[in-house]
Amino acid sequence: DAGVIQSPRHEVTEMGQEVTLRCKPISGHDYLFWYRQTMMRGLELLIYFNNNVPIDDSGMPEDRFSAKMPNASFSTLKIQPSEPRDSAVYFCASSLGGASQSPLHFGNGTRLTVT
Amino acid sequence: SQQGEEDPQALSIQEGENATMNCSYKTSINNLQWYRQNSGRGLVHLILIRSNEREKHSGRLRVTLDTSKKSSSLLITASRAADTASYFCATPPYGGSQGNLIFGKGTKLSVKP
Repeated sequence: DAGVIQSPRHEVTEMGQEVTLRCKPISGHDYLFWYRQTMMRGLELLIYFNNNVPIDDSGMPEDRFSAKMPNASFSTLKIQPSEPRDSAVYFCASSLGGASQSPLHFGNGTRLTVT
Repeated sequence: SQQGEEDPQALSIQEGENATMNCSYKTSINNLQWYRQNSGRGLVHLILIRSNEREKHSGRLRVTLDTSKKSSSLLITASRAADTASYFCATPPYGGSQGNLIFGKGTKLSVKP
């Protein structure tokens, strides 16, 4: 099993540019999560999906952020336009049955730097 | 809203010593999970303990859960330099759906050889 795969591993972009982060969950998992990690705020849940449907997006900071899951094996997190305060490590995770039943499996993250 | 909070924020020990990290949470839970994060990597699940369990073991790890005190502890016995990492507890959020996890800010463990 390849685990959760995220790309790119690092992204450096200028303020105002569009950024797209990608995630491939573990095959067969029905939940997918996007988290953001910073020193100041720790790990924050941005959004999560169940069977490709967004369930809770209350953690998405603002309209500049959007996430999609067009099928069970792919999800994207888009920031448009990006700002320096978006600099963080973004993690994707997946699970079978949700956190009330089973653990989350994390990717290695995308480190985003917005200059 | 933050559910779990780890204590201490940082811990430095010598190899071979035991390390204990604590987690307090605010509301009823159906499970509590511990994760490890090595520098520059994603989180790795260690142990899931359910609300009707009091203790769980996995190798050198021991997790306890006290629902009356709303607290959990993670004990690493005979620590190794490779245990150096940040450790997080996590629970489903209060008042929200049970599908996701809310993480504390973690305990940074440093094990010196």
